[in-house]
Amino acid sequence: IAGITQAPTSQILAAGRRMTLRCTQDMRHNAMYWYRQDLGLGLRLIHYSNTAGTTGKGEVPDGYSVSRANTDDFPLTLASAVPSQTSVYFCASRAHYTGELFFGEGSRLTVL
Amino acid sequence: AQSVTQPDIHITVSEGASLELRCNYSYGATPYLFWYVQSPGQGLQLLLKYFSGDTLVQGIKGFEAEFKRSQSSFNLRKPSVHWSDAAEYFCAVGADNDYKLSFGAGTTVTVRA
Repeated sequence: IAGITQAPTSQILAAGRRMTLRCTQDMRHNAMYWYRQDLGLGLRLIHYSNTAGTTGKGEVPDGYSVSRANTDDFPLTLASAVPSQTSVYFCASRAHYTGELFFGEGSRLTVL
Repeated sequence: AQSVTQPDIHITVSEGASLELRCNYSYGATPYLFWYVQSPGQGLQLLLKYFSGDTLVQGIKGFEAEFKRSQSSFNLRKPSVHWSDAAEYFCAVGADNDYKLSFGAGTTVTVRA
C-alpha cells in the first residue's frame, strides 16, 4: 500500500542523546514536511522540503535538522534532545496537483 | 503568513444529531482550505478541501464545508453524526504560492449514545 512510513513508532530517549526519526514515502511526491503535535497547539511545522536537495525552516525549527538526499526519504534529527521535544512527530508529503497532505502514523517521542 | 483559529476545543454531540465545527482563517488572498480528521493514535486523513469554485464542498464520510469569504470562515458540518465520528478535527489553510499548511489547534468531538 502506497503511503508514508515512519520509524520508530515510539521511543523513550534520555536528554542529551541524538535521535533520528525516519520517514519514507513511495508516492514520488516532491514536497515533504515534518510536524510536531502537542495538546492544545495542533500541528506545528518544523522543517519542510519542496524537492530533493532543498530544505527550509518551518515555525519551530530550533533543535531539529533535516536532510533530503533523494525524493523518498526525509529524516528528522534531534542533535541533543531536550524534554521540551517530547511530542508526537508526523511526517507528510504533498500531492502535486491537489495540494493534499498525506501523513504517516506518527512517532511518539518522550525525552526524559 | 496565514493562520487558522478553531474556537471550539471540545464539542459533545449526541449520536444522530447534527454537528458543526468552526474554522476561521487569516490570509490576504484566496486561501486553500482543508479539513482533516485524526482518530486516536492515528495519522491525519483528509476529509475535504477547497481551492476555488463552488463554495460548498462535499467530502468523505458525509461531511461538507462552506467557504465564506466575507466571514473568513470554512465551517465543517455533518447532518447526522455516528459514534465513529468521535475524533479530533483540524482545519488547515495554505497559500497558492506556498506549499506549507498552517493548522488550527483542533476540535475534539465526543459522540454520546
